[in-house]
Parts: sequence; C-alpha cells; structure tokens
Amino acid sequence: DVKVTQSSRYLVKRTGEKVFLECVQDMDHENMFWYRQDPGLGLRLIYFSYDVKMKEKGDIPEGYSVSREKKERFSLILESASTNQTSMYLCASSKGTRTSYNELFFGPGTRLTVL
Amino acid sequence: DQQVKQNSPSLSVQEGRISILNCDYTNSMFDYFLWYKKYPAEGPTFLISISSIKDKNEDGRFTVFLNKSAKHLSLHIVPSQPGDSAVYFCAASHNYGGSQGNLIFGKGTKLSVKP
Repeated sequence: DVKVTQSSRYLVKRTGEKVFLECVQDMDHENMFWYRQDPGLGLRLIYFSYDVKMKEKGDIPEGYSVSREKKERFSLILESASTNQTSMYLCASSKGTRTSYNELFFGPGTRLTVL
Repeated sequence: DQQVKQNSPSLSVQEGRISILNCDYTNSMFDYFLWYKKYPAEGPTFLISISSIKDKNEDGRFTVFLNKSAKHLSLHIVPSQPGDSAVYFCAASHNYGGSQGNLIFGKGTKLSVKP
C-alpha cells in the first residue's frame, strides 16, 4: 500500500517562529510537491522537487523554503511564520517519468495555525 | 490567471440521483485531466482521469466526459451516495516545458449528498 506521511496532523505556532513540516514517501518516487489548501482558493503549489537536492518554485513560494536531502523526504520550511500562513499543508509525490500522466499521491495534510 | 476553473463552489444532490460536477480550462495544451476527492482532514485521493485523446472514461459509478472544443469536462456520479459527500478537485496537466507533469488544480466543488 503506497504511503505519503506527514510528521504532524495539527500544529500551532507563534508569529516569527521557524516551522518545519516533514514529508516522507515510501514509493521510491522521484517527484515531490508541497501544496497549501485554503477555502475558496483550492490547491496552490508552493515548491516541488524532481530529484534529490533539486527544488523549483511553484506558484506561491514567498515565505517558504524546502529541503530534499534524501529521495524519500521533502521538508517545507517557514522561515518566520506569519498569520497568513495559517492553512492546510499537503505533501504529494509522483513517479519521475516527466510526462503529463503523473498521478499525485497525497499525504493526510498538516493543519497549521499561526497565532 | 486561473487555468482550471470550477465555477460552482458547492452542489447539493439527493441520494440516488445524479451528481454532475463541472470544470472548464483555458490552456489548450492540457492533455490529461484528473478528478480528486477530498474528505475533511484528509489528503486528496485520486478518483478518475481522462486523456485528451478520449471523450469519455467510466469507472463504476463515476464517468468523466471531455469536450475539447468547449474546453470543458464534467464528472458524473450515478447513483450518488451520502459517502460521496466531499470536495472534488478538477486538475489538468500538459507534457511540455519545465513544469511538465505538474498538476494545476481548480478551486474545488463541495458536494453534499442528502439521504
């Protein structure tokens, strides 16, 4: 059974804190992604990675960074959390064939609240 | 600019009847379309997909129709069940450029199936 796991289901942080969201997949997928989901805005891509040590900006990278030191692990970092980063964060992975037929497998999500 | 649009934020249907969820897109280069289903506090899960070379794909109670000339696709659920109540995301991808394989999501439609 394929699995994408995220380190926390719920997280509460204070403004200005550095926040780490961890994601691990066990499917040997090359591609990994971080999205955020907000009501009325759908799923928006923050960052993605096609390989270890590689990262590319998505649609809304401001205020975020990522790290991909190992193939199975993709971390999202909020350098200085702000209240507008309160959201549901979703990690996903897919095969690395670089075609348009890449089904995404999502983790359960982390509900982050920044006070 | 939104490339994938789901213009109905919500839809309410009686159990046993047909649910029709609509999606429009603007990028004629999209060649693969997917529907994801999301329950609260869970990550989205893949439901059904269709390639641009087809106009219909069916999987049990779920059928996706693609009208390329109108840049429109729809998801039909027949018969609808209370367990189908969820947010449905339409997604599209293309096989060119640096972001090939990345999915672009609509904002979602919340389906409520009433017993």
